[in-house]
Amino acid sequence: AQTVTQSQPEMSVQEAETVTLSCTYDTSENNYYLFWYKQPPSRQMILVIRQEAYKQQNATENRFSVNFQKAAKSFSLKISDSQLGDTAMYFCAFSTSGTYKYIFGTGTRLKVLA
Amino acid sequence: NAGVTQTPKFRILKIGQSMTLQCTQDMNHNYMYWYRQDPGMGLKLIYYSVGAGITDKGEVPNGYNVSRSTTEDFPLRLELAAPSQTSVYFCASSPSTSGVQETQYFGPGTRLLVL
Repeated sequence: AQTVTQSQPEMSVQEAETVTLSCTYDTSENNYYLFWYKQPPSRQMILVIRQEAYKQQNATENRFSVNFQKAAKSFSLKISDSQLGDTAMYFCAFSTSGTYKYIFGTGTRLKVLA
Repeated sequence: NAGVTQTPKFRILKIGQSMTLQCTQDMNHNYMYWYRQDPGMGLKLIYYSVGAGITDKGEVPNGYNVSRSTTEDFPLRLELAAPSQTSVYFCASSPSTSGVQETQYFGPGTRLLVL
């Protein structure tokens, strides 16, 4: 069965610092996609970043970047220059190409401290 | 362009009551999904649909039903509500692009409390 594991239930970081959230997954598939979603206190799920497994280059989106290690099945999210608005739950998600199912991790609660 | 909208935002049900959670998207997406999020947990898939008239079960379908008569609407029906169905429910949609796993767009959620 495919699984997504986020081993850090809670993390905190000082404003303007850098923080890395971990995500590992388990699959026997070769063609898949990985996502990081942000869920602020409003509960609205917002896509942060998306990575195609066939691409070796790590995805970046402004202050957000990923470290995708396909062999290790690891997909960590780095947030640079953390801002108070980054305070949220962050979910890692996995989906196999050609299916309609997305598997979510249990989330990491990030608090950015002033 | 409103995206994905859900109603109601919050509802309290008594055990045994029924209700329908509404979900509408205006992005002409073929794929739609219903998830539930229990406290401190990730999202679990209840049902999904790949187009009007086509639905299928997800990971936790028991106690729920869906229908998809139009591309825009994907209501979720709870029959005989139970305390175990207390949760936050999210509807999502995504475009269908051959060979590409598209990003899901989420609604704001419906918080349901069954007492």
